Amino acid sequence: GIQVEQSPPDLILQEGANSTLRCNFSDSVNNLQWFHQNPWGQLINLFYIPSGTKQNGRLSATTVATERYSLLYISSSQTTDSGVYFCAVESTGGTSYGKLTFGQGTILTVHP
Amino acid sequence: DAGVTQSPTHLIKTRGQQVTLRCSPKSGHDTVSWYQQALGQGPQFIFQYYEEEERQRGNFPDRFSGHQFPNYSSELNVNALLLGDSALYLCASSMINQPQHFGDGTRLSIL
Repeated sequence: GIQVEQSPPDLILQEGANSTLRCNFSDSVNNLQWFHQNPWGQLINLFYIPSGTKQNGRLSATTVATERYSLLYISSSQTTDSGVYFCAVESTGGTSYGKLTFGQGTILTVHP
Repeated sequence: DAGVTQSPTHLIKTRGQQVTLRCSPKSGHDTVSWYQQALGQGPQFIFQYYEEEERQRGNFPDRFSGHQFPNYSSELNVNALLLGDSALYLCASSMINQPQHFGDGTRLSIL
């Protein structure tokens, strides 16, 4: 099945700093989503971005499908950005339809 | 517009028991997927239901079964519970070829 690797595994920032999270995947995808999981376990949709670039406030994401990677940018980080960021993909393979495969996540800690 | 709702929020069971978790999809969504998230791991796909049929299944034993009702709500059943079944169980709903939206999960503890 498709492999998803996220980097870095851990990231510690001071409030106000910028960061880039990376997601590499091993096969073609027809769905790629970025999520933020807060300390209470809630998975919050950030972006649905199988290709191209999107922006939402201080967050933006870019997926280069032909090179099989996606980047999540966080600018002017705040303490409320802390948590785990997951990349999840759905392979174009017929047996993977509807199945999201998650990476191991990036644990982000933002200090005041 | 209510999002994906799951019940119960927390559950404690003992080994060998059976459990049923419930999920109501977001309004307008017809597809429900279930995931298991162990501590410190990313969610793992269990199965997906569409039109009351299991459409996709992940690498989980037959002790894990499910059902989808005509109103698109879904249940996840786990029989003969093991200590290793302790996890956060997440339900996601979607429309075909659209992003999946997750509920807040059910935290299951096995004693």
